[in-house]
Amino acid sequence: DAGITQSPRHKVTETGTPVTLRCHQTENHRYMYWYRQDPGHGLRLIHYSYGVKDTDKGEVSDGYSVSRSKTEDFLLTLESATSSQTSVYFCAISPQGVDEQFFGPGTRLTVL
Amino acid sequence: SQKIEQNSEALNIQEGKTATLTCNYTNYSPAYLQWYRQDPGRGPVFLLLIRENEKEKRKERLKVTFDTTLKQSLFHITASQPADSATYLCALERDSSYKLIFGSGTRLLVRP
Repeated sequence: DAGITQSPRHKVTETGTPVTLRCHQTENHRYMYWYRQDPGHGLRLIHYSYGVKDTDKGEVSDGYSVSRSKTEDFLLTLESATSSQTSVYFCAISPQGVDEQFFGPGTRLTVL
Repeated sequence: SQKIEQNSEALNIQEGKTATLTCNYTNYSPAYLQWYRQDPGRGPVFLLLIRENEKEKRKERLKVTFDTTLKQSLFHITASQPADSATYLCALERDSSYKLIFGSGTRLLVRP
């Protein structure tokens, strides 16, 4: 399995609080992605990174920000969590960007 | 906008039969298409990638076809086994970028 971990694996928080999810990789892959997965919507891209300090928005980026200060870490921040952000969040990595993606185990986030 | 459609109804088949899953897309001509497997509570796992100039690709019991005229990919599992039971996701590259758009997936159930 690709060396990719996510933390925390589960989190319950309250509306209005900031939340940061971490994705850590040991593969030295250039590309990193954050997705959310909801019933009926499949996987939707939130943000992605194509290098250290290089990030771009995906299709559902509102309410989320990201940072990548090191190759191995990609952080996703919910600036002020809302109930609509209750979801399962997956991080993925890819060596070239145009080939397969390797997914982490996911973080289940519940916003009350 | 780009759209991917996978049959939302579960496919229920007998062990030993061939499972065929369909992925249709509109409003785009992707350079490649990918298939992933996802088990409950886990991240997707890459299975196969097929490029627009490839009609068919095989890997062990798996076969993928890519018809750019019909804008359709078929995913076949021959001699299916109960262990093949999972959700299968289709993904295509988005806008000639390093991003993927995913279908919602089709759940496959193989009965012993």
